[in-house]
Amino acid sequence: GGIITQTPKFLIGQEGQKLTLKCQQNFNHDTMYWYRQDSGKGLRLIYYSITENDLQKGDLSEGYDASREKKSSFSLTVTSAQKNEMAVFLCASSWDNTEVFFGKGTRLTVV
Amino acid sequence: QQNVQQSPESLIVPEGARTSLNCTFSDSASQYFWWYRQHSGKAPKALMSIFSNGEKEEGRFTIHLNKASLHFSLHIRDSQPSDSALYLCAGASSGSWQLIFGSGTQLTVMP
Repeated sequence: GGIITQTPKFLIGQEGQKLTLKCQQNFNHDTMYWYRQDSGKGLRLIYYSITENDLQKGDLSEGYDASREKKSSFSLTVTSAQKNEMAVFLCASSWDNTEVFFGKGTRLTVV
Repeated sequence: QQNVQQSPESLIVPEGARTSLNCTFSDSASQYFWWYRQHSGKAPKALMSIFSNGEKEEGRFTIHLNKASLHFSLHIRDSQPSDSALYLCAGASSGSWQLIFGSGTQLTVMP
């Protein structure tokens, strides 16, 4: 079986700061995703990528950038952290429309 | 653009009850439907999927899909306290890698 590793697990940033979240997968999946989850709520798609160097915007892309420089890695940048923002960012991967596997998440707090 | 709505937002049932969770989707071209389960503090994990109209049963869990009415549901027979979790439905269209999630139903099964 494979694994998705997200770093860091916890991220504390300051208002206006640029913050980068990283994700690595060893499933050899083509497609990777970044979702945002607010406390106890559903998942909102920020960015996804169907292959190396591809980027597709989800509904929540404003305020974020992403980068897929290698098939196995997908990073997300919060371009300007918003004060009191608190959410979990989940990275995921899959082959086409098969099962999506998730990482354990990065919990972001902005002070 | 796919829009997925879930109901109810939260549900408390006694142990042994039959539980029904509902999902409606907006895109009639959707072809791939999933239920995911997320225990508190954990990553979402795929529970069951269905790709054509009808019903699918796995143990205590049954899913129904009716594309004509844009309705997708999950039924849990003999609910257990270990079933307590956030349940997320998700759909994707053929040829699209966007897996769109609903806002979730928080299920609590009381012993």
